[in-house]
Amino acid sequence: DGGITQSPKYLFRKEGQNVTLSCEQNLNHDAMYWYRQDPGQGLRLIYYSQIVNDFQKGDIAEGYSVSREKKESFPLTVTSAQKNPTAFYLCASSRGLAVNEQFFGPGTRLTVL
Amino acid sequence: AQSVTQLDSQVPVFEEAPVELRCNYSSSVSVYLFWYVQYPNQGLQLLLKYLSGSTLVKGINGFEAEFNKSQTSFHLRKPSVHISDTAEYFCAVSDGGLYGLTGGGNKLTFGTGTQLKVEL
Repeated sequence: DGGITQSPKYLFRKEGQNVTLSCEQNLNHDAMYWYRQDPGQGLRLIYYSQIVNDFQKGDIAEGYSVSREKKESFPLTVTSAQKNPTAFYLCASSRGLAVNEQFFGPGTRLTVL
Repeated sequence: AQSVTQLDSQVPVFEEAPVELRCNYSSSVSVYLFWYVQYPNQGLQLLLKYLSGSTLVKGINGFEAEFNKSQTSFHLRKPSVHISDTAEYFCAVSDGGLYGLTGGGNKLTFGTGTQLKVEL
């Protein structure tokens, strides 16, 4: 079955530590996205990538970093510079060029202790 | 710039009653609209989309939405809800395709969500 996987489902981090969230897709989609979800705020775009080896900042990129070395993978690193990292993180992907819906993974809930 | 407003943060409704979840948007370019559903601690699932053509769009699980350009709205409706429809619903607008690079894709702007609670 084609889809998007995110791991781990739950992640706990101590303050000052970097942590990497995994996102893998086997849909052969060119574009991939990372969103942050907080209660009552909807989804906010962190980073997106249109093609391998390229990515752009979204609306709230500060304190985050990404890489896109393979078409299937788009990992997100939450760095110690992110002051309020506790949130639900969602990865998505979409086909290229034309406007299409985004397909979402199941999410990772990050809690900073 | 584009934006989405979902005025109702919560909508309680009894089972088998009709429901309408409201969505208004603003966009300076062509409009592409989406409704997603999210069950607790899960990702988002597409309910329906408007890209072009008929303004009445039918989606999964008996939901439909109507694109109204003059009122800049894309309200979601279901004639008879079930307890299993209890979830959070998000409206989203796209700014169109990203054509700067070969890969493409499109940026979505989401509303803040409406929690639909179906009661017996």
